[in-house]
Amino acid sequence: AQTVTQSQPEMSVQEAETVTLSCTYDTSESDYYLFWYKQPPSRQMILVIRQEAYKQQNATENRFSVNFQKAAKSFSLKISDSQLGDAAMYFCAYRSAWYGGSQGNLIFGKGTKLSVKP
Amino acid sequence: DSGVTQTPKHLITATGQRVTLRCSPRSGDLSVYWYQQSLDQGLQFLIQYYNGEERAKGNILERFSAQQFPDLHSELNLSSLELGDSALYFCASSPRRDSHYEQYFGPGTRLTVT
Repeated sequence: AQTVTQSQPEMSVQEAETVTLSCTYDTSESDYYLFWYKQPPSRQMILVIRQEAYKQQNATENRFSVNFQKAAKSFSLKISDSQLGDAAMYFCAYRSAWYGGSQGNLIFGKGTKLSVKP
Repeated sequence: DSGVTQTPKHLITATGQRVTLRCSPRSGDLSVYWYQQSLDQGLQFLIQYYNGEERAKGNILERFSAQQFPDLHSELNLSSLELGDSALYFCASSPRRDSHYEQYFGPGTRLTVT
């Protein structure tokens, strides 16, 4: 079974600075997707960024980028120029790549609570 | 706004009771997923439906059941409720079964069992 581990329960960053959230995962599959979700105090789950395992290039979405190390099974999220609105819980998630099969659910880590100091 | 709606937003009930949570997926999405977020267990997958049929089960208790109707909305039924069932229940939808497609989350239903 696949597992996702986020070893940092809480992180803090100064506004305008850069912060990196860590995530490791365990799988025997070669093809899969990795995600970072943001959950602000409103509790809404918001997709931040997605990475396909077959792509070597790291995904980037504006101020958010990932460092995907497939061999190390590591998937970290870097937030540049942190803003007060970035304060939230961040969840790393794994999903098998599967076409026409039965398993499409997300497997989540425990989350990292990010605080942004003004 | 993801386009996924969930009702009710909040639900407070007593132990031993039964409740039904409702989810309307995004227009055109055929696949619905239910997740439970609790302090103890984190975010866990419960069950998936695709076009009216159950496709996958996760850590769903026997006291819980779900269904997806012809209009594609889904309901999660929780019975014989226990204090530990207090959690945030999310519904997510995606266009197809394939994992290539994104899952869009609803705002969740917060269930409190007293």
